[in-house]
Amino acid sequence: KAGVTQTPRYLIKTRGQQVTLSCSPISGHRSVSWYQQTPGQGLQFLFEYFSETQRNKGNFPGRFSGRQFSNSRSEMNVSTLELGDSALYLCASSVVSGGAGYGYTFGSGTRLTVV
Amino acid sequence: DQQVKQNSPSLSVQEGRISILNCDYTNSMFDYFLWYKKYPAEGPTFLISISSIKDKNEDGRFTVFLNKSAKHLSLHIVPSQPGDSAVYFCAASAGGTSYGKLTFGQGTILTVHP
Repeated sequence: KAGVTQTPRYLIKTRGQQVTLSCSPISGHRSVSWYQQTPGQGLQFLFEYFSETQRNKGNFPGRFSGRQFSNSRSEMNVSTLELGDSALYLCASSVVSGGAGYGYTFGSGTRLTVV
Repeated sequence: DQQVKQNSPSLSVQEGRISILNCDYTNSMFDYFLWYKKYPAEGPTFLISISSIKDKNEDGRFTVFLNKSAKHLSLHIVPSQPGDSAVYFCAASAGGTSYGKLTFGQGTILTVHP
């Protein structure tokens, strides 16, 4: 059974540019969440999508956005990149959203470096 | 405002002994708790979870204890193995439609010595 796939694994962008990261969840998983991991702030929740609808949103500026497609694949976009956006971006998927007993399965992440 | 706290940045244990990792939370709305293990350059791996209606959940060598009145949970690993060396994160969610929003602690680095 394939795991959560994130592409690309590594990315280098310049300040002011925008970037799109992709996540393919485990087959049958309908909930997809995104997290940002930095040394100073740890793992922070960005947003969660379920059946193409954003269900939860973290405390990030509007430059961070996402979407989910009908096949549950998800993308996140960061516009007008800042140096502080350099981080590991993790995607996680789950069978359901709102059901206890199901842990989220994480992908290996996309390492974004902004220069 | 750090709603989930892991106050021990690191823990060192001898192989075969018990490892106890602790986690405190402040948000009374949290009702579902999870532990994840993370190796460098990989995403976190789900270990075990517990809902607020329970005070203990076991899965093999891993047991999670929840003390709701103290807003405290702990992960026990018995016996500890060198392969358990990793960063351990506790996470919490408010359940319901907020289930997908996990709040993570800062992590504890566990080192198990042979």
